[in-house]
Amino acid sequence: NAGVMQNPRHLVRRRGQEARLRCSPMKGHSHVYWYRQLPEEGLKFMVYLQKENIIDESGMPKERFSAEFPKEGPSILRIQQVVRGDSAAYFCASSPLQDKQETQYFGPGTRLLVL
Amino acid sequence: AQSVSQHNHHVILSEAASLELGCNYSYGGTVNLFWYVQYPGQHLQLLLKYFSGDPLVKGIKGFEAEFIKSKFSFNLRKPSVQWSDTAEYFCAVTRNTGFQKLVFGTGTRLLVSP
Repeated sequence: NAGVMQNPRHLVRRRGQEARLRCSPMKGHSHVYWYRQLPEEGLKFMVYLQKENIIDESGMPKERFSAEFPKEGPSILRIQQVVRGDSAAYFCASSPLQDKQETQYFGPGTRLLVL
Repeated sequence: AQSVSQHNHHVILSEAASLELGCNYSYGGTVNLFWYVQYPGQHLQLLLKYFSGDPLVKGIKGFEAEFIKSKFSFNLRKPSVQWSDTAEYFCAVTRNTGFQKLVFGTGTRLLVSP
């Protein structure tokens, strides 16, 4: 059973470009979470999605960031018009159920560098 | 708002030394507690978790953690570290209601010298 997959593992963008980060949850998992880790900081929650639904996006910046988890295919975190401050590691996690005792399994992360 | 504090940002130990990493959280309700580890170049892996029951939790690779409710703490321990324990360790908390939004501490980087 493959773990959570994220691609690309490393992404370099120039200011003003778009970044698309992909996350394929573990097989059988229908809940996806995105977290961001800025340099020298801990991971911070961004958004929680189920298939075709955004459940909580309280951690998402108000502008330029969006996320989706379509019925088919991976979850996508999209950052438009990237700025240097978007440089960070973006981690995706998945869980099988919305259960208060369900463990989240993390992917390897995408390291975004904005030049 | 919920927060998690890890007071030791960097720890350096020699092999066979004992380890204790501090973790305190600020939330008065019922919580679930986790320690995750990130080895160099790898993704976060779950070391151990506490939901209820025995406050002394055993995890993988000889790690354990003790939940002390009165101190809002969940410190991670290992009696004898190995060079392969060199990694970054994250404490995290979720509330025991609603969905599982993990709140992480800033992490502790452990370097074990051979």
